[in-house]
Amino acid sequence: EPEVTQTPSHQVTQMGQEVILRCVPISNHLYFYWYRQILGQKVEFLVSFYNNEISEKSEIFDDQFSVERPDGSNFTLKIRSTKLEDSAMYFCASSEQGLTNTEAFFGQGTRLTVV
Amino acid sequence: DQQVKQNSPSLSVQEGRISILNCDYTNSMFDYFLWYKKYPAEGPTFLISISSIKDKNEDGRFTVFLNKSAKHLSLHIVPSQPGDSAVYFCAARPRGTSYGKLTFGQGTILTVHP
Repeated sequence: EPEVTQTPSHQVTQMGQEVILRCVPISNHLYFYWYRQILGQKVEFLVSFYNNEISEKSEIFDDQFSVERPDGSNFTLKIRSTKLEDSAMYFCASSEQGLTNTEAFFGQGTRLTVV
Repeated sequence: DQQVKQNSPSLSVQEGRISILNCDYTNSMFDYFLWYKKYPAEGPTFLISISSIKDKNEDGRFTVFLNKSAKHLSLHIVPSQPGDSAVYFCAARPRGTSYGKLTFGQGTILTVHP
């Protein structure tokens, strides 16, 4: 069964450092997303990406965050200067279509710990 | 942000019995609702969904009911199995947005006892 894969599974970084979280969406999917879940809190939408550009983003997704699809298979989330409060589980997801009713498939997540 | 609420943090059920997980929402713009299941150290896994034009959708042991006037939906699992033990998230999508922009509830931990 096709799946979304994320690397690394756990990333520890020093405050102020840049991190890049990587995702390989399901191959025929066209829409890509990042979500995060701070420990003990809800899963929160960060950004959606289609046709090589951001289609929607939440207020969490500020200038410190960026996304990219560098090579047609990977989808990355970059945090330029990490803060302690960026510590969370980050989930990548993809869906076959955007506005029609197909579900989003999630990866297993990357646990980001900022120290 | 309390647009989607799951008021029961946990639910414990005996194997073979029915599990009923509840979810309330406040945003009238939501037009599509989903249930996801999540095991520890894994991402959410899609279970079942329902469009706002329907009031029921069934898939095997899972049935989702939608009461639009009450802004309430529920997930019924019959019969419950120990492997169903997980965190269950209700999620909703606003009309006119990309499909993946989901607002999640805080989750309900379901424990099914053998």
